[in-house]
Amino acid sequence: TQLLEQSPQFLSIQEGENLTVYCNSSSVFSSLQWYRQEPGEGPVLLVTVVTGGEVKKLKRLTFQFGDARKDSSLHITAAQPGDTGLYLCAPGPDNYGQNFVFGPGTRLSVLP
Amino acid sequence: NAGVTQTPKFRVLKTGQSMTLLCAQDMNHEYMYWYRQDPGMGLRLIHYSVGEGTTAKGEVPDGYNVSRLKKQNFLLGLESAAPSQTSVYFCASVAGVSNSPLHFGNGTRLTVT
Repeated sequence: TQLLEQSPQFLSIQEGENLTVYCNSSSVFSSLQWYRQEPGEGPVLLVTVVTGGEVKKLKRLTFQFGDARKDSSLHITAAQPGDTGLYLCAPGPDNYGQNFVFGPGTRLSVLP
Repeated sequence: NAGVTQTPKFRVLKTGQSMTLLCAQDMNHEYMYWYRQDPGMGLRLIHYSVGEGTTAKGEVPDGYNVSRLKKQNFLLGLESAAPSQTSVYFCASVAGVSNSPLHFGNGTRLTVT
């Protein structure tokens, strides 16, 4: 099983601030996924990053896959209370048939 | 389309009691997973299945058993519940190794007293 670490574990910020959360591993991944889980619900996929160095944007969220494909970051610009939730990174789809283990997550709270 | 449905939504058990959690998906997905999520924590994989009749252990399988007798259903059993099994249980499914995301149910909140 390829292990993923995430930092920070918790983050509490004011509305309008920018933030970056990280997903790291000592293993190389062919791709990585980011999910967001809102309170009382199951996680929902935000994005899959596939190519080393790739940058993907989803409105105010910017995802980057490291050149060595061992790490990824999620940057949120001008955070809003609706961004509050648990952000989880996970291996890419080629790992589905194995122990599919998520990173421990970053719990984000955006205060109005 | 219902997607992934978990039954029941809530349950309270006494220590030593048994129960079965049901996960049903109507998307003809091959792979199914059971995770637990403790308060303020991430997801931990209990067991998973890559097809009808097959199951495998995840990170934290002790105290749980599973069965996948039908492709659309994945059952999670607790034979003798313990307070340490108090958690929210999530089921997920996906159409094999594909570019599709995992589809999650809305969870079963289990309390063991």
